[in-house]
Parts: sequence; structure tokens; C-alpha cells
Amino acid sequence: GAVVSQHPSRVICKSGTSVKIECRSLDFQATTMFWYRQFPKQSLMLMATSNEGSKATYEQGVEKDKFLINHASLTLSTLTVTSAHPEDSSFYICSARDLRGSSVEAFFGQGTRLTVV
Amino acid sequence: AQKVTQAQTEISVVEKEDVTLDCVYETRDTTYYLFWYKQPPSGELVFLIRRNSFDEQNEISGRYSWNFQKSTSSFNFTITASQVVDSAVYFCALTPLNYGGSQGNLIFGKGTKLSVKP
Repeated sequence: GAVVSQHPSRVICKSGTSVKIECRSLDFQATTMFWYRQFPKQSLMLMATSNEGSKATYEQGVEKDKFLINHASLTLSTLTVTSAHPEDSSFYICSARDLRGSSVEAFFGQGTRLTVV
Repeated sequence: AQKVTQAQTEISVVEKEDVTLDCVYETRDTTYYLFWYKQPPSGELVFLIRRNSFDEQNEISGRYSWNFQKSTSSFNFTITASQVVDSAVYFCALTPLNYGGSQGNLIFGKGTKLSVKP
């Protein structure tokens, strides 16, 4: 299957700093990227959907000014957690899809475990 | 509304036992896909199976088998002769084919944590 590379896999940052997470589709063009957050022992909750070249669509309750999403190309989307706080500590995972055709495949990155101290 | 329910939060079995993980879904879409993913402690999601709503044929892959019943909106997953390496959290997920809602994202159940003891 296609490969989605997500970096970093783990990051520890100080409270108040910003962290950028990258999600790259290595062998296909991702028209749409989805960002999920998973708290310990919880399910994956969709944070936002980004289409290449457009502004991201955020789910209810997700602060768009705090979680900045950029999807400037068909192979790269980034999630920046701005002014991170301990409550932002979580597992973040991206998913990439090409929705132009009939493909229903959803490819996931390896996830990023963020710890804010 | 679209929803996936995995009623079993945690299951513990002894190696070589068979175990079934339940998944019940709700959707008003007539066309959709159902998925199962495995999430080991590392966190990465491992794709197991995808099934479209028009294909109710059960599937077997090695020790894994899936029972899709549209009449009861269920897509259950059975592991035969479980092994310690099967220990993980398993997620059932749903996505509509017509990309309604959040433009084609997967809707996940809460997951079932499976512990297989030697």
C-alpha cells in the first residue's frame, strides 16, 4: 500500500512553545489530509480536514488558531500546535487520501506522540 | 448521523483461545466502507480489512475472519487461536462512499483492547 510518513514520531516541548508535525504522502498525491487526535485509552477523534490549496475545515471544539494546518502541496500537510500547553499532550495522527477518483483507501502516518512539559 | 460502537472496552483471553470483537455501526448512507485497524503499543495504525456495503461475503485471512451482516449493521472480527502478538487495541471504522459529512474521513469506534496472555 501507499506510504504516509509522519514526523516527528515523538516530541517533548516546553509549555508555551510551538511544535510542527509533518505528514507526507510518499508515493501518491493526497488531495485531502485528515488530522486526528487520540488521548490515552481513547478513540481517534477528527480534528480537521484539509484539502490541497484550501483552508482547513475544523471540527467543532477544535481551535483553529491553536492548531494551524497547512496543506500547500499534494504531498505535504503540516499541523502546528501553537503555544502548547500540557493539556495538548496527545497522540496526533494524520491520514491521507486521494479523493479525485474512486479510491476509498485511507493511509495513515505513524503518529506523533506530543508531550508538553 | 454516523456512528461506530464497539461495546467491548477490554477483552482478556489466554493464548490459543478464539476471540470475537464486536462492531455495530449506524449510517443513513446506502453506500459505505467498513474498516478494521490494529493499533499496537507503538501507536501506528495497521490496516486489517476494508469491506464495502454491497459485499456481505464473509472473509477469512489466516487466523482472522470477518462477519459482515447488513441486517444487524454489524461487522464483527474473530481471531482464531489467538497469540500474544495479537495483543493490541482494535478499531472498527466507517466511511461513506459518497463522501458526505467531513469529506471522506473515517469515523472510529472507541476501540477494544485485547490482551492475550501466554
